[in-house]
Amino acid sequence: GESVGLHLPTLSVQEGDNSIINCAYSNSASDYFIWYKQESGKGPQFIIDIRSNMDKRQGQRVTVLLNKTVKHLSLQIAATQPGDSAVYFCAENIGAQKLVFGQGTRLTINP
Amino acid sequence: DGGITQSPKYLFRKEGQNVTLSCEQNLNHDAMYWYRQDPGQGLRLIYYSQIVNDFQKGDIAEGYSVSREKKESFPLTVTSAQKNPTAFYLCASSSPPGLRTSNEKLFFGSGTQLSVL
Repeated sequence: GESVGLHLPTLSVQEGDNSIINCAYSNSASDYFIWYKQESGKGPQFIIDIRSNMDKRQGQRVTVLLNKTVKHLSLQIAATQPGDSAVYFCAENIGAQKLVFGQGTRLTINP
Repeated sequence: DGGITQSPKYLFRKEGQNVTLSCEQNLNHDAMYWYRQDPGQGLRLIYYSQIVNDFQKGDIAEGYSVSREKKESFPLTVTSAQKNPTAFYLCASSSPPGLRTSNEKLFFGSGTQLSVL
């Protein structure tokens, strides 16, 4: 079936540095993408989304980039803080109200 | 957790037993979903419901059943036919429900950890 995957399962960054989390998707017909943050033992929380007619969207300290040519999605977190430690999932809308989630990347912040 | 309440937080199932996980939302959302999450894995869709009294199988529906008698509630039953039920179960809801929408932002509950005794 369709799959949304991540290049790296874990990412460690220094506090204050910028983080970039990558995601590859396989369904070229997907028209909507979301990034979620999941802290241990909790449900995923919405971070930011982007539609396929855009290539960049910015939020507070976060930016999502979409490259439809190579089917690649990335999440950039500026000035990473300890509270950013979590697992980050990308998800794509493949239609019929179904989201396909990637495996997730664990982000660890080093002091 | 965005107005979605899952209970219990932890649940233990004996072999051959059916157990039901509760999910209630007060967001007035039409669509509700159940996902299963295994350690170090992404979320896999079990069942979803777009409107009351209607639901569809997701990718891993075998061994599970649901009902949608009320808009606010979408309970999931893990039956004895599910041979590997240990996982973290997440309920979510979204609005609007239309198939044509490309704005399917899901709001998640805090999850139920199911373990086998």
